[in-house]
Amino acid sequence: AQKITQTQPGMFVQEKEAVTLDCTYDTSDPSYGLFWYKQPSSGEMIFLIYQGSYDQQNATEGRYSLNFQKARKSANLVISASQLGDSAMYFCAMRVSNTGNQFYFGTGTSLTVIP
Amino acid sequence: DAGVIQSPRHEVTEMGQEVTLRCKPISGHNSLFWYRQTMMRGLELLIYFNNNVPIDDSGMPEDRFSAKMPNASFSTLKIQPSEPRDSAVYFCASSLLWVWNTEAFFGQGTRLTVV
Repeated sequence: AQKITQTQPGMFVQEKEAVTLDCTYDTSDPSYGLFWYKQPSSGEMIFLIYQGSYDQQNATEGRYSLNFQKARKSANLVISASQLGDSAMYFCAMRVSNTGNQFYFGTGTSLTVIP
Repeated sequence: DAGVIQSPRHEVTEMGQEVTLRCKPISGHNSLFWYRQTMMRGLELLIYFNNNVPIDDSGMPEDRFSAKMPNASFSTLKIQPSEPRDSAVYFCASSLLWVWNTEAFFGQGTRLTVV
C-alpha cells in the first residue's frame, strides 16, 4: 500500500529562521515522485518542489530544499530564512508508477511564522 | 494557459438539492482528479480519470456522488441529493499521464455549503 505520513500537525518558527517539515512515505515501487505543496489561508494549492526517486541530488527551489533520504523513506521540506508569508498548510505528496498515476497526500502541517 | 478552471467558486444550496461542480483541466493534460477537503478529513481523493476514463472511484463517499468526463476538456462532479455533511471545498486537479516529474495542477476550488 502507498502512504504518506506527516507527523507534525502544527509548527512554529521565528521569522528569518530555518524550519524543517517532516514527511515519510511508504511504497514498494522503485519509481515514484515526491512533491510538496503550500496552501495559504486563501485556499489555493501551490506546488513548491519535486524530487524523483532516482534523483541523486536533493532538489532545491529558491528558499525551499528537499532533504531526501531514500533508505529512510523520508522527504523533508526545509524552508530557509522564513518569512511571514510562509505561514500556511504544507502538504507532502507522492506519485507512484504502479498505481495508475494518482497522487497520495499527507494530512498536512500547519506552519506559523512568528515575527 | 489559464490553469485549471473550476466553477462555481462558491455554492450555497439547500439540503436535498442537486449540485453540479465543473472543471476544465489544462489543455493537453490527460489525468484529472477530484478531491474534497474538510477540516475533519483533510484532503481526500474522490475519483480520478486517465484519458477521460474513470480509473478509481473508491473515494466517492456514496451513490449520491457521481462524476463524468465526457471529453478531454471538461469534467463534472454531481451530488444528488446534497446533504449538510457534503459541505467542503472541492478541488479539481490535472496532470500529465506517465510523466513523473509533473505535479498535479490544482484549480481554485469550489466551496460548497449545504444548509
